[in-house]
Amino acid sequence: EPEVTQTPSHQVTQMGQEVILRCVPISNHLYFYWYRQILGQKVEFLVSFYNNEISEKSEIFDDQFSVERPDGSNFTLKIRSTKLEDSAMYFCASRRDRGLPGTYEQYFGPGTRLTVT
Amino acid sequence: GENVEQHPSTLSVQEGDSAVIKCTYSDSASNYFPWYKQELGKGPQLIIDIRSNVGEKKDQRIAVTLNKTAKHFSLHITETQPEDSAVYFCAASKGNSGYSTLTFGKGTMLLVSP
Repeated sequence: EPEVTQTPSHQVTQMGQEVILRCVPISNHLYFYWYRQILGQKVEFLVSFYNNEISEKSEIFDDQFSVERPDGSNFTLKIRSTKLEDSAMYFCASRRDRGLPGTYEQYFGPGTRLTVT
Repeated sequence: GENVEQHPSTLSVQEGDSAVIKCTYSDSASNYFPWYKQELGKGPQLIIDIRSNVGEKKDQRIAVTLNKTAKHFSLHITETQPEDSAVYFCAASKGNSGYSTLTFGKGTMLLVSP
């Protein structure tokens, strides 16, 4: 069964450094998302991406964050200058296009644990 | 924006018992309500979902009910097994619209004792 994959599984970085988190969505999916989960808290939406542009973003997704689909398979989240409070689990999710069966469901990857020291 | 409340935060049951987790949502435009199971160190796994045109959906030991009037939906797990132990999240979204982001509840830790 196709899965969303994410790399790395764990990233440790120093405050102020840039990090790039990578995701490979399910191959026939066209909507992509980033969510984050601070330890012990609920999953929070960051950004959605469709047709090579951001379709929605939350208040968390400020100028320090950016997303990109650099090629036909990868979807990346970049944090330009990490802060201690960026420490969290970051999940990528993908969804099929509208009009196709199963278009509502979002499938999540295993996550990248980001630790900012 | 949407707000999803979930309770209880923890639920302990004996193997074979039933478990019920309840959620409420605030945005009447929400029309899609998935439930995710998250095991330690893993990503949320979609286990069942319901759309607003349906009142109940069942998949083996798992069922979900939806009351649109009350803006309330619930997850029911029957004949619980130790492997059901995990954190369960409810979520709501406007489903198939472009703005289909999921708003999650705070999660319920389900512990099933043998």
